[in-house]
Amino acid sequence: EAQVTQNPRYLITVTGKKLTVTCSQNMNHEYMSWYRQDPGLGLRQIYYSMNVEVTDKGDVPEGYKVSRKEKRNFPLILESPSPNQTSLYFCASRFRGRNNEKLFFGSGTQLSVL
Amino acid sequence: GQQVMQIPQYQHVQEGEDFTTYCNSSTTLSNIQWYKQRPGGHPVFLIQLVKSGEVKKQKRLTFQFGEAKKNSSLHITATQTTDVGTYFCDRGSTLGRLYFGRGTQLTVWP
Repeated sequence: EAQVTQNPRYLITVTGKKLTVTCSQNMNHEYMSWYRQDPGLGLRQIYYSMNVEVTDKGDVPEGYKVSRKEKRNFPLILESPSPNQTSLYFCASRFRGRNNEKLFFGSGTQLSVL
Repeated sequence: GQQVMQIPQYQHVQEGEDFTTYCNSSTTLSNIQWYKQRPGGHPVFLIQLVKSGEVKKQKRLTFQFGEAKKNSSLHITATQTTDVGTYFCDRGSTLGRLYFGRGTQLTVWP
């Protein structure tokens, strides 16, 4: 089954403790991206990757890192989490065909930073 | 600049009433996608619109792309409780930066 797998679904941590949220897709998509979702603000892009070893900043990259060492994986790293990074996070990969593109989202990670 | 404005932010309707959400851009869009997110779920792709004036239907959902390709709408006829959720538009991009509207949260009373 074609899917984007994110882990963990829920995470509670404390300020300053490094964490990684994993994201994996099995559709051989070149493009992957990370979003955070906060009430009233919709989905805001954190980072994206057009292909392996190619990453770039989205709207809200501060405090986050990503890596794309292989096509299927795109982990999100918070080196020193802070309470303002408490949010719902989604990873997505993109299918692109001729005049046809769509995002496939993971199930989300609810992060609480105390 | 690149943002899309989506209105309304919230909509409460009684089952059987119609519902419409709008996305507006100050610049011409190459395409637009619509997504639905059920409560507690993740966004799921609904449709992509590419052509000026395009209209597409999915059962009770009608999607329109404006003639100038600066606005789009999603209309649901005779809402049902299964329509509950948040509807997002994404202005689409041939590059990597993607911009979503803030979403319209639909509540349907039985």
